[in-house]
Amino acid sequence: NAGVTQTPKFRVLKTGQSMTLLCAQDMNHEYMYWYRQDPGMGLRLIHYSVGEGTTAKGEVPDGYNVSRLKKQNFLLGLESAAPSQTSVYFCASSFRLHNNQPQHFGDGTRLSIL
Amino acid sequence: ELKVEQNPLFLSMQEGKNYTIYCNYSTTSDRLYWYRQDPGKSLESLFVLLSNGAVKQEGRLMASLDTKARLSTLHITAAVHDLSATYFCAEGGGADGLTFGKGTHLIIQP
Repeated sequence: NAGVTQTPKFRVLKTGQSMTLLCAQDMNHEYMYWYRQDPGMGLRLIHYSVGEGTTAKGEVPDGYNVSRLKKQNFLLGLESAAPSQTSVYFCASSFRLHNNQPQHFGDGTRLSIL
Repeated sequence: ELKVEQNPLFLSMQEGKNYTIYCNYSTTSDRLYWYRQDPGKSLESLFVLLSNGAVKQEGRLMASLDTKARLSTLHITAAVHDLSATYFCAEGGGADGLTFGKGTHLIIQP
């Protein structure tokens, strides 16, 4: 009964380093999302995917790339980390149909860029 | 520009009191969601509101949706300490994700 699993949970990077955040869901959801949460800003959508092999930009996509090679996985990459990317990152997923269902969120990845 | 505005952003109240959090949104999507977040934790879904006049209740929390006014409310009845959290409303929910309000940080004091 895992739901949405994010790895890692915490990470500290130096400016200019790269890393990949992994999101895995076991609910057979078609849609997957990456959000970032900053103090006083709520959650903002970075990128999203409506199915395997497809991705699209959200509200704040700059500096990030994503891939969805398998339906259950959605990867978020930072090619050259910047201090402005210090944030808590949440992955979420949902069904394509069944509009009465909410998005399900992972536990978050706390990322600090020094 | 799509906006979701919550107020108040901070609320300190006493146990036993009633209060309402307001959420105004600017689109015609008319799907409104309420989430709860405890410090350092994930987001927990509270309510999904899909039509004008929708009202849902769970324990001491009741949410409603007025699509004509583009307003949703989250009402807290006889607050208890365990309801202290940050509450988010969000609009959308289709393929292109949710637009969140900034959240209401609620502190309930004995």
